[in-house]
Amino acid sequence: EAQVTQNPRYLITVTGKKLTVTCSQNMNHEYMSWYRQDPGLGLRQIYYSMNVEVTDKGDVPEGYKVSRKEKRNFPLILESPSPNQTSLYFCASSLSPVGPQYFGPGTRLTVL
Amino acid sequence: SQQGEEDPQALSIQEGENATMNCSYKTSINNLQWYRQNSGRGLVHLILIRSNEREKHSGRLRVTLDTSKKSSSLLITASRAADTASYFCATDNYGQNFVFGPGTRLSVLP
Repeated sequence: EAQVTQNPRYLITVTGKKLTVTCSQNMNHEYMSWYRQDPGLGLRQIYYSMNVEVTDKGDVPEGYKVSRKEKRNFPLILESPSPNQTSLYFCASSLSPVGPQYFGPGTRLTVL
Repeated sequence: SQQGEEDPQALSIQEGENATMNCSYKTSINNLQWYRQNSGRGLVHLILIRSNEREKHSGRLRVTLDTSKKSSSLLITASRAADTASYFCATDNYGQNFVFGPGTRLSVLP
């Protein structure tokens, strides 16, 4: 089944404790992206990747890192999480940067 | 930078009625897409309209695009309770980053 998977789905952590949210897609998509969703603000793009080893900042990249060592994986790294990073995070992939995006189920992160 | 802005923020209708949502954007675009999100879940792609298209249909969905007014509308005909969700428009800047609007919450009452 074609899908985008994210892990973990739920995470409660404390300020400053490094964490990684994994994202994997099995559709051989070139383009992958991370978003955060906050009430009243819609989805805001954090980082995107056009292909392996090619990443670029979205609208809200501060406090986040990404890597794209393999085509299928695009992990989101929070080196020192803070409470303002409490949010619902989505990973998405698509064949091209202008095509329909396929979204993962989301990761609800709470930083205390 | 917020590109797409949906209107209204929330809409409540009866089953069988039509629902219309609007999206406005600020800069020139390549494509405009509409997505649906059921409560807290991942977004699902509904329809893509290119900047040189004016109207597109998919089942009960009809999307229009007016590039002169920088606006798009999504019409859902003969709505069902299962259409209850949030709807988002998204624009891309010719292959660079994607920008989503804040969404319209649609409630379809049985």
